[in-house]
Amino acid sequence: DAGVIQSPRHEVTEMGQEVTLRCKPISGHDYLFWYRQTMMRGLELLIYFNNNVPIDDSGMPEDRFSAKMPNASFSTLKIQPSEPRDSAVYFCASRGEGKIAKNIQYFGAGTRLSVL
Amino acid sequence: AQSVAQPEDQVNVAEGNPLTVKCTYSVSGNPYLFWYVQYPNRGLQFLLKYITGDNLVKGSYGFEAEFNKSQTSFHLKKPSALVSDSALYFCAVRDKTGDTGRRALTFGSGTRLQVQP
Repeated sequence: DAGVIQSPRHEVTEMGQEVTLRCKPISGHDYLFWYRQTMMRGLELLIYFNNNVPIDDSGMPEDRFSAKMPNASFSTLKIQPSEPRDSAVYFCASRGEGKIAKNIQYFGAGTRLSVL
Repeated sequence: AQSVAQPEDQVNVAEGNPLTVKCTYSVSGNPYLFWYVQYPNRGLQFLLKYITGDNLVKGSYGFEAEFNKSQTSFHLKKPSALVSDSALYFCAVRDKTGDTGRRALTFGSGTRLQVQP
């Protein structure tokens, strides 16, 4: 398996524009997590899904952020409109429920977002 | 609520010397504990975990961690550091009990390990 795949790797946009980040979890994993990493705030959990259903979105900073998981192999994190303070590295992670993979989250390489 | 504290922003150690990266946690029930490592411009990689059983857990790249319930600690250790171990290390915890809503990990703020040649 190729692991968790995120796209794009880098995104530069202007304030006010819509940004969509994409994630393909590891096949067979039924948990998907979105994180944001900044120097000031460290690694923050934004939202996570179980079997494509959002379970906890309490980490989503405000209504400008939304996340969807239309099927088991794809998720998006959207920011609309984007602001400079959204600049960060956004990570997606997935996790299985089976005995061997249980509890281990596998992370993608991240998307580095810069909002000018 | 669950939380993790990594009291050191940075740890410096000479190559060949033992290293320790500290982590303490707080959960209402019993913990699942993890260590992850992050190399520059990469995502986090799983190192090791404690679920149950032996308090000393061995993981990847020669790392190990000791679960100490009375001190609520899970310090990461390695007997002999390598320059290539230089990276950002994260401790994480999840409450073993509880409903689906508490299945997410809580990560510490990270500790930067710098191994000097």
